[in-house]
Amino acid sequence: GAVVSQHPSWVICKSGTSVKIECRSLDFQATTMFWYRQFPKQSLMLMATSNEGSKATYEQGVEKDKFLINHASLTLSTLTVTSAHPEDSSFYICSARGLAGDQETQYFGPGTRLLVL
Amino acid sequence: LAKTTQPISMDSYEGQEVNITCSHNNIATNDYITWYQQFPSQGPRFIIQGYKTKVTNEVASLFIPADRKSSTLSLPRVSLSDTAVYYCLVGALSGGYQKVTFGTGTKLQVIP
Repeated sequence: GAVVSQHPSWVICKSGTSVKIECRSLDFQATTMFWYRQFPKQSLMLMATSNEGSKATYEQGVEKDKFLINHASLTLSTLTVTSAHPEDSSFYICSARGLAGDQETQYFGPGTRLLVL
Repeated sequence: LAKTTQPISMDSYEGQEVNITCSHNNIATNDYITWYQQFPSQGPRFIIQGYKTKVTNEVASLFIPADRKSSTLSLPRVSLSDTAVYYCLVGALSGGYQKVTFGTGTKLQVIP
């Protein structure tokens, strides 16, 4: 199946700093990528939808100026958490739409654990 | 967006077949049904996807009745390593994008 990678896998930062997370589709081109956030013992919450070459569409309640998303190519999307605070500590997961055999589906990255001190 | 409803949790003994049912009463004509498995601190892993009737792959089967308002993921002979959260997702996948939102998922606990 299609492979999606994320980097870094975990990051610890001080409050007030910015953190960039990369999401790559390794063996397919993804015109659409999604960013999710997951808190402990909860389901994944969709943050935004990223389309290559255009502005991301954010879900209600997600601050677009705080969570900057860039989808500059068909294989790379980045999420930048600006001026991170402890409440931004979470597990961030990206996904990309790609082909599995002859079916298109959504594949997920391994996630990035962010801890803001 | 089609909302999904699953049991919050299930227990099963090792070696048994496990069936997890998902309800999606307002599924649209062009929606597919996809199941994912998630282990703690990992991204969801694709298990199986279908549109109607029955789909089978090397790890699971997916049963979808004619009205498509529900689906059942069947895991044959589960092992301890199948302990995870299983999510049922519904959404259109072609002809443009369709955002997919997650329900609560089903936490499967396999007991030795």
